[in-house]
Amino acid sequence: GAGVSQSPSNKVTEKGKDVELRCDPISGHTALYWYRQSLGQGLEFLIYFQGNSAPDKSGLPSDRFSAERTGGSVSTLTIQRTQQEDSAVYLCASSYDSQLLNSPLHFGNGTRLTVT
Amino acid sequence: AQKVTQAQTEISVVEKEDVTLDCVYETRDTTYYLFWYKQPPSGELVFLIRRNSFDEQNEISGRYSWNFQKSTSSFNFTITASQVVDSAVYFCALRPPTGANNLFFGTGTRLTVIP
Repeated sequence: GAGVSQSPSNKVTEKGKDVELRCDPISGHTALYWYRQSLGQGLEFLIYFQGNSAPDKSGLPSDRFSAERTGGSVSTLTIQRTQQEDSAVYLCASSYDSQLLNSPLHFGNGTRLTVT
Repeated sequence: AQKVTQAQTEISVVEKEDVTLDCVYETRDTTYYLFWYKQPPSGELVFLIRRNSFDEQNEISGRYSWNFQKSTSSFNFTITASQVVDSAVYFCALRPPTGANNLFFGTGTRLTVIP
């Protein structure tokens, strides 16, 4: 498909376990973004990549959260020692170029994470 | 500081009614972009429109129209003759030219169109 692909679509994990969420952006999009959407809340910015580098990590909630992107394509968001408050939908988006302000973000369907 | 406020948490209308979703933003930048996204029950955010701060022309696309008022820092979205398929959460977002190259989202307005 031509859209942003995220996997898994749903993840249930026990408190304290580590999880990895994957995002495959639209081909040719150099910018990639991670957002978190908690129940009834807006979208909380976590991190973005331009190519493989992450100029802005300011939104990561704690040092348990990390993300990487390799080959300018697929990105992985890792949450270590998950807590119940990490339960949310994690959305990935990509855009043609982060420097093009009018370039819209195209979102995936998200990964719904539930920490029990 | 950047902030987007969508004061209407939930709106219900009967099919074929018109509905306006409000969006008010705060920014100190003179150049910025505004966006609207739709999030249907499937969960995927769908891009609807973007507007730059220098273009205050209203825009109409089918049953959708947008009213950008820089003087009141508002970017309202109107759906004319609403349909059940319009039921979704709608997000307004602001993108500043400096700092983090991300979108600042409002908390969304859940629109329910009753048949």
